[in-house]
Parts: sequence; structure tokens; C-alpha cells
Amino acid sequence: KNEVEQSPQNLTAQEGEFITINCSYSVGISALHWLQQHPGGGIVSLFMLSSGKKKHGRLIATINIQEKHSSLHITASHPRDSAVYICAVRLMDSNYQLIWGAGTKLIIKP
Amino acid sequence: EAGVAQSPRYKIIEKRQSVAFWCNPISGHATLYWYQQILGQGPKLLIQFQNNGVVDDSQLPKDRFSAERLKGVDSTLKIQPAKLEDSAVYLCASSFDRGFTTGELFFGEGSRLTVL
Repeated sequence: KNEVEQSPQNLTAQEGEFITINCSYSVGISALHWLQQHPGGGIVSLFMLSSGKKKHGRLIATINIQEKHSSLHITASHPRDSAVYICAVRLMDSNYQLIWGAGTKLIIKP
Repeated sequence: EAGVAQSPRYKIIEKRQSVAFWCNPISGHATLYWYQQILGQGPKLLIQFQNNGVVDDSQLPKDRFSAERLKGVDSTLKIQPAKLEDSAVYLCASSFDRGFTTGELFFGEGSRLTVL
């Protein structure tokens, strides 16, 4: 079993739909990162969470430390949101090691 | 604040030649990662530095790849000799980490290597 599991692996939705991507982990963490990569593009950090909820524009990220689960939501999705979304966790140690999920490929159709 | 700088952005070489990539992390960032991303796949960690010490290089093909981070600031990743399967984007990332406090991750734009 992978230490970081993302679901779904692929997601296709219509423009305007509310999107949820899930991330579950099985290790002790100091923080969880949500990252975005557009096709052929670089990686951008969207959020870093250690508790609670963060919002930036149409993106919302939540984390439940007790349940070891995080979600990334996109409201009013747009074709430009089409990208791979990656959940990555920092291990709770002093080496700041990062474990990546496999990513969720999101396609938003106009 | 300047971002993570990488160079060159693009490099085309023939197999068996050598190549070097450079990364300058954000000032003050102690943690530096090098990733290899082959087209259509997720990033694979090659090496992680904490200051100038190596934390994890378990997936670095040490027969041909080497990396250093002298003085705990900028870093170079070298491939010698290159193989066709080394064609990939090489990503550098850094973060400000102190004690048990984890910082945001910042990525460079990557260096795209094509081996012919």
C-alpha cells in the first residue's frame, strides 16, 4: 500500500462543476502540499497545510489530521484548471523528506 | 523574492556525452531537491540535500549521475555519460525548513534534456 493515495486518478468534468480531489496518507506528517502541473509546464505549489482549511480564489484545501485525509476543491471549474494535481506529504522528521501521491489528471471540458 | 533558478532551460546532446544542470534555490532555503520527470510520468526524486549534506540519494544512478551542493547554496547535477533514457525534465525545488517547521515548496522551471 502506498503511503500517499490520491483519488480519483483521472477526472473529467464540465465547465462550472464543483471538483473534489482526495488524498489519504498513512504516515505521520508535518505538512501536506497540494501541487499543480499543467501539461508541459512546471510545478506550482497551491497550498501547504498542517491543519484546518485554506482558500485561494476558487481553490479550497482542507485537512483532517486525525483521519489522515485532505481534499482539494475547485469551485466553478474552468478549462484552464485542467492539469495534474498532486498531493505530497512531508514526513514528521528532521529530514523534511517528501512523499508524493500519484497525481490526479483533471480535464475540464467547455 | 526571486524564485528557484535553473539553467540551462533546454539541452540537446548525443548519447555518451556529458551534461550539467545548475540550480540556485531561494535565498535561505536549506532543503534542495532534484527530480527527474520523464514525459507522461510523475517526478522521481534523484537527490535531496539538507544544507550541503545528502539526505536521500537512494534513486540516483550513481554510475552516471552525480550532484553536489557546495556551501549549501546552489547545486549542480551532472550526467556522464548520458543515455537515451535520460531524456527528461530535471526539476529543482527548494524550501525553507528549520527544526520541525516545514516551509512551502518552490520549483524551478526545469531543464529539459534530450539525448539523441
